[in-house]
Amino acid sequence: QVQLVQSGAEVKKPGASVKVSCKASGYTFTSYYLHWVRQAPGQGLEWMGIINPRGGTTTYAQNFQGRLTLTRDTSTSTVYMELSSLRSEDMAVYYCARGGSYHFDNWGQGTLVTVSS
Amino acid sequence: QSALTQPASVSGSPGQSITISCTGTSSDVGTYNVLSWYQQHPGKAPKLMIYEGTKRPSGVSNRFSASKSGNTTSLSISGLQAADEADYYCCSYVGNTRVFGTGTKVTVL
Repeated sequence: QVQLVQSGAEVKKPGASVKVSCKASGYTFTSYYLHWVRQAPGQGLEWMGIINPRGGTTTYAQNFQGRLTLTRDTSTSTVYMELSSLRSEDMAVYYCARGGSYHFDNWGQGTLVTVSS
Repeated sequence: QSALTQPASVSGSPGQSITISCTGTSSDVGTYNVLSWYQQHPGKAPKLMIYEGTKRPSGVSNRFSASKSGNTTSLSISGLQAADEADYYCCSYVGNTRVFGTGTKVTVL
């Protein structure tokens, strides 16, 4: 079955960077796009960006341009989300999600990123 | 890209039907017929409930259905059950990006 397993919770200081991994299994890694979505405490879902695991091409939401980097390692079927210049507003649960045609059909378990001095 | 607009909360009694609206613009909801809906229980990852406007993934009850009119899409839940109490989000494709709705908390009275 399709599984997306994310790395564990992180605690970072303001101004630092965080890198979260998402390991895919149960399907052909290069056949589906992977998205990142975040959710601040008590808030709604926010789409961050998408990566094509086949060629590594990316598209980022305007809100994250210049701070977000999505990469992938096809040898381990893993995608990475790196967010830099962290601020308190970046404290959230970060999800990876497999892209169906225009939707998200499978989700990771989420990774809590805490930003605190 | 601004978030799509959903009511903050909707409630109903067990067995009743409810509808959650999701309003966008002619640039997103009004243009693309590939809207999706997600259910999220507290502390859990979202779950796909509707995709490509009206389709249900395998395993999702036929009590969930969706429709669209103009710049608004709606999710209907019939025969409301206690397990349906959750947050619901719509999502639209917008030219290789995505935009979510503001989210609706469904309460089963």
